[in-house]
Amino acid sequence: EDKVVQSPLSLVVHEGDTVTLNCSYEVTNFRSLLWYKQEKKAPTFLFMLTSSGIEKKSGRLSSILDKKELFSILNITATQTGDSAVYLCAVEATPGSARQLTFGSGTQLTVLP
Amino acid sequence: KAGVTQTPRYLIKTRGQQVTLSCSPISGHRSVSWYQQTPGQGLQFLFEYFSETQRNKGNFPGRFSGRQFSNSRSEMNVSTLELGDSALYLCASSLAQPSSYEQYFGPGTRLTVT
Repeated sequence: EDKVVQSPLSLVVHEGDTVTLNCSYEVTNFRSLLWYKQEKKAPTFLFMLTSSGIEKKSGRLSSILDKKELFSILNITATQTGDSAVYLCAVEATPGSARQLTFGSGTQLTVLP
Repeated sequence: KAGVTQTPRYLIKTRGQQVTLSCSPISGHRSVSWYQQTPGQGLQFLFEYFSETQRNKGNFPGRFSGRQFSNSRSEMNVSTLELGDSALYLCASSLAQPSSYEQYFGPGTRLTVT
């Protein structure tokens, strides 16, 4: 059974801190790993990673994938209160021609002023 | 470009009833996936449709079904509702092309079963 584990489950930091969120996975037919940010509503897409060692960056957020060790990290530098959210990691597997995302339980990030 | 839309946004039903939820994907997106999100289980995959065909199904009972129309709009149906079906139901669409597999989520339908 495909499995995605995120750590820590929750994190409380102060504005300006840097945080690293972890995601490890065990899936068959791996295609990609995705990061989402979920505030009060639906998850919003952050990154999709398919290749090891290539960092994806968007402003203060960056992410990298290690396909040998089966994990990814999401870094947020100079955190702001608006970064408070649940960060979800999902792994896409492709059984046959179909697509399926398996989500981790998320990391609840709280950024205090 | 308009995002993924879902209707209704909120729904209250009683046990034993059935419900139909609707999802309109982003224009041009041909793949629609459905997820159930609950506090205890997190986000769980229900099924994926592509070109009106169900390509994959998660581990849910047969009471959960869906379909996709020729314009890529999708519906999911839950029959004989149970209290445990109370959840946020999310649909996500994607281009489903090798260069662009990221999924974009709709706002969800919050279903409460009493």
